[in-house]
Amino acid sequence: EVQLVQSGTEVKKPGESLKISCKGSGYSFTSHWIAWARQMPGKGLEWMGIIYPRDSDTRYSPSFQGQVTISADKSISTAYVQWNNLKASDTAMYYCARCDTGGCHSLEIWGQGTMVTVSS
Amino acid sequence: QSALTQPRSVSGSPGQSVTISCTGTSSDVGGYTYVSWYQQHPGKAPKLVMYNVNKRPSGVPDRFSGSKSGNTASLTISGLQAEDEADYYCCAYAGSYTWVFGGGTRLTVL
Repeated sequence: EVQLVQSGTEVKKPGESLKISCKGSGYSFTSHWIAWARQMPGKGLEWMGIIYPRDSDTRYSPSFQGQVTISADKSISTAYVQWNNLKASDTAMYYCARCDTGGCHSLEIWGQGTMVTVSS
Repeated sequence: QSALTQPRSVSGSPGQSVTISCTGTSSDVGGYTYVSWYQQHPGKAPKLVMYNVNKRPSGVPDRFSGSKSGNTASLTISGLQAEDEADYYCCAYAGSYTWVFGGGTRLTVL
């Protein structure tokens, strides 16, 4: 079964660092781009960026460039999003998703989401 | 890069048809055939229901259809069923490896 399994709920304080993960299984992890999306409480989806695990080619949405770091470790089929200085406004559900084989024309498979709460 | 424009809500009775619009610009919706739609039930992850404007993934009922005219894409759900009640998001490629989502539409089955 093709699936993406994300790391668990996180509760952090402003200024702290965080790295959440997304582990793929059931398919060739290096053959599909992985996308990340944010969903703030009660709001819509926002595209954060994508990474190609084979060579770690990474592209960011202008809104997230410099705010997060997307990375991947192909040896363990896992992609990551990292923050170095969390803010309360980073409180959101974060989803990873597998792109289709044609590049990233659609998000075929989604992880279950990781809830991040940043509060003092 | 602004979010694509969707109606905040639509509704219909069981058996009826509803159409959700998604309006962008010639740089995203109008510029490419890479428009996709996602269904999200409360507390759940999104699910792909349409890609490349009008292609249905395996397992998605043929009650779901997609189209595009100019800078506006549409998702039509015919023969509404209770389980179709959810939030729906469009997404379009905007060039240079960037994508943009719509603001989302809440579908209520009356």
